[in-house]
Amino acid sequence: DSGVTQTPKHLITATGQRVTLRCSPRSGDLSVYWYQQSLDQGLQFLIQYYNGEERAKGNILERFSAQQFPDLHSELNLSSLELGDSALYFCASSRAGDYEQYFGPGTRLTVT
Amino acid sequence: GQNIDQPTEMTATEGAIVQINCTYQTSGFNGLFWYQQHAGEAPTFLSYNVLDGLEEKGRFSSFLSRSKGYSYLLLKELQMKDSASYLCAPASGGSYIPTFGRGTSLIVHP
Repeated sequence: DSGVTQTPKHLITATGQRVTLRCSPRSGDLSVYWYQQSLDQGLQFLIQYYNGEERAKGNILERFSAQQFPDLHSELNLSSLELGDSALYFCASSRAGDYEQYFGPGTRLTVT
Repeated sequence: GQNIDQPTEMTATEGAIVQINCTYQTSGFNGLFWYQQHAGEAPTFLSYNVLDGLEEKGRFSSFLSRSKGYSYLLLKELQMKDSASYLCAPASGGSYIPTFGRGTSLIVHP
């Protein structure tokens, strides 16, 4: 158990819909990262937040957005969902200045 | 962008040693991560190499050659539970954010 929690574990929704994925980092970790893992693309970095501020952006689509709240939990919002958005979405957290990221168990999103 | 190359699949016998190679091309290289990922589970951190050379951590060791853009992960005394995907991931651009390769699926058989 990494100490990072993600909800929900599974999510099934239809094309065109919007969903919100939630992540709680390990106690004391200020950085939160979001990753997408699909069969054809592998594990891809989406976005990083540090203490409430966006710190780095990866291959995140405009239809996707994220935020980190004052209590440091983070949410990833996915809108206008397409079949290709079906994937495992991981959240990870790390301490300030530390390179080791701790991954949550992931949310499996299925878009039908 | 970054180009990461590692074998798609490897098989080995329980108790043996296996070396998983990774070559990469990236600008602004900072260091290289190795992560382990069991099917359907979260990746777990194995190592992060910044300097050239071998770093040993129990049964797992990781090697880096910055000038050659080359790394390997060495797994000794293989156990069945080591069957997993091993992800090579360089970090660049002044950050610790890994860019993951497609991974090497290691199958350990009795």
